[in-house]
Amino acid sequence: EVQPVESGGGLVQPGGSLRLSCAVSGLSFSNYWMTWVRQAPGKGLEWVANIKQDGSEKYYVDSVKGRFTISRDNAKNSLYLQMNSLRAEDTAVYYCTRAPHCFNGVCQNAFDIWGRGTMVTVSS
Amino acid sequence: DVVMTQSPLSLPVTLGQPASISCRSSQSLVYSDGNTYLNWFQQRPGQSPRRLIYKVSNRDSGVPDRFSGSGSGTDFTLKISRVEAEDVGVYYCMQGTHWLITFGQGTRLEIK
Repeated sequence: EVQPVESGGGLVQPGGSLRLSCAVSGLSFSNYWMTWVRQAPGKGLEWVANIKQDGSEKYYVDSVKGRFTISRDNAKNSLYLQMNSLRAEDTAVYYCTRAPHCFNGVCQNAFDIWGRGTMVTVSS
Repeated sequence: DVVMTQSPLSLPVTLGQPASISCRSSQSLVYSDGNTYLNWFQQRPGQSPRRLIYKVSNRDSGVPDRFSGSGSGTDFTLKISRVEAEDVGVYYCMQGTHWLITFGQGTRLEIK
């Protein structure tokens, strides 16, 4: 089964940085909006950010705005999340998923395929 | 932001019996194109979420037909006609109609 593969997670101190990657093969990557969703330990799902097919539109949840940057490389079928000024509350599993269409950052028929996620732990 | 409220939060069910999960939104989820963008996800223990239902009642490929979705406006339901052991996990509703995308808090289904 085709599935995105996230990587780049790990343990980082508060205020530190991490860059997450998501490799996507066989999914017509450039045809989809791509999204990061996170899940804090024992908690529910939270949409974090998404990016349009050509990278021209990006949207973020308020809690990460100004600290996280979503980007993509269609030639490499890859999605990224640069996370700076990390806080304890950013500790979560970060999942990569997709949507065929979004309007003003809200995605319809979204999130049919998910990766296994990568764990980010922010702690001193 | 649209608040998605699920009930119950915990659902013990006997194998072979039906189960029902409610999801209510704080605003109507009817989009300007006439569609209602309400999805249901299943997350089995230790696994990633999996989409079961999109646009209220459309089952994803490979989803058993014992799962069904219904509802309109602000009131939605996920039903399992006969619960099987593999259905254990947490179920989430999600809206994709209004900024920002929001999920319900999750309903944990367990076998009695």
